[in-house]
Amino acid sequence: KNQVEQSPQSLIILEGKNCTLQCNYTVSPFSNLRWYKQDTGRGPVSLTIMTFSENTKSNGRYTATLDADTKQSSLHITASQLSDSASYICVVSGAGGGNKLTFGTGTQLKVEL
Amino acid sequence: GAGVSQSPSNKVTEKGKDVELRCDPISGHTALYWYRQSLGQGLEFLIYFQGNSAPDKSGLPSDRFSAERTGGSVSTLTIQRTQQEDSAVYLCASSLGLAGGPYEQYFGPGTRLTVT
Repeated sequence: KNQVEQSPQSLIILEGKNCTLQCNYTVSPFSNLRWYKQDTGRGPVSLTIMTFSENTKSNGRYTATLDADTKQSSLHITASQLSDSASYICVVSGAGGGNKLTFGTGTQLKVEL
Repeated sequence: GAGVSQSPSNKVTEKGKDVELRCDPISGHTALYWYRQSLGQGLEFLIYFQGNSAPDKSGLPSDRFSAERTGGSVSTLTIQRTQQEDSAVYLCASSLGLAGGPYEQYFGPGTRLTVT
């Protein structure tokens, strides 16, 4: 069964600090991997999409990495801000398109003063 | 134009009643998805529509769930004879193409359904 596992489940950091969120997946064959940010009470918003051939992709203070060989991805947040407090969801698409998206349960990040 | 919109934002209903949830996708987006998000769970795929193709209903949890997409735009998710386990946030998303490809999915704010 295709799975996406995220760690840690939750994380608290001080404003201005960096953090790294992890995503391991078993989806195969693989098409692309996405990271979403979901604020409380809102729908998810896409941060990055990476295909098989991409190792890293940045979006402002967010940098995602992908190792398709080990089936691991990470999302690094630099110089965190209070507004970064949200759930970060890793989503993997299997090759073949359509609805083949497998969602992780997310990492709940809280940034404090 | 505007993003994906959903209505109502909150719905409280009694067990056994039917409910309809509405999704207005981004204009021009051919693909439309419905997901369910229960507390502490990942998003669960329900159904998707792509252009004029037959919808993929493989994620619908029971025959009490159905969805329509009229004119390739607005979609309605209907839950008949609601049960308490149907309580969740129902999210709609649209994209230019199938999300299995490199197309961005844009999500609506969701409808929070509570079945009492």
